[in-house]
Amino acid sequence: GNSVTQMEGPVTLSEEAFLTINCTYTATGYPSLFWYVQYPGEGLQLLLKATKADDKGSNKGFEATYRKETTSFHLEKGSVQVSDSAVYFCALSGGYNKLIFGAGTRLAVHP
Amino acid sequence: NAGVTQTPKFQVLKTGQSMTLQCAQDMNHNSMYWYRQDPGMGLRLIYYSASEGTTDKGEVPNGYNVSRLNKREFSLRLESAAPSQTSVYFCASSRGAGDILEAFFGQGTRLTVV
Repeated sequence: GNSVTQMEGPVTLSEEAFLTINCTYTATGYPSLFWYVQYPGEGLQLLLKATKADDKGSNKGFEATYRKETTSFHLEKGSVQVSDSAVYFCALSGGYNKLIFGAGTRLAVHP
Repeated sequence: NAGVTQTPKFQVLKTGQSMTLQCAQDMNHNSMYWYRQDPGMGLRLIYYSASEGTTDKGEVPNGYNVSRLNKREFSLRLESAAPSQTSVYFCASSRGAGDILEAFFGQGTRLTVV
């Protein structure tokens, strides 16, 4: 079946460090891929998405490229800020109107 | 813009009690969802409603029932709460055009069953 695997956290970085959060997936067909972010005490919100192979999603300095050959959608940011501290979820569209989420990766950025 | 509104935000139940979690969206979305979030397990789909008048089981439906009251509202009911249902519950909605492109989430309900 469809599934998403993310690197375990927490990830702890200093401000302005480079961020990578790994995400790989298993799916039949050609799903759309997503990164959602959850700030403390809030619900999830869409960070970026990619709907086909080789697409790059980007938003707020974050990027992820849909790699069909490696079934990956790694999240990157060149210079993190304290305000980026949150939990990040990788997800795929798992069939008609359904999202399948990874376990989430907590990011903590300190000054 | 209200988006997706869930009530209540917090709830403590005793084992065996029942309760209904309410969810409403004002974006004219066709599809609505209930997820639970547990540490280390991400979000798991409980039930979803692809369109008004339809509901389907997700990954973890046991112990829950849902009602799609109208296009705006989708409620989740626990008939006899158990400690295993202690979790954070999120309602979400999407436009629902046959392929989910973006889901909008409520702020969550933190439920504790003692």
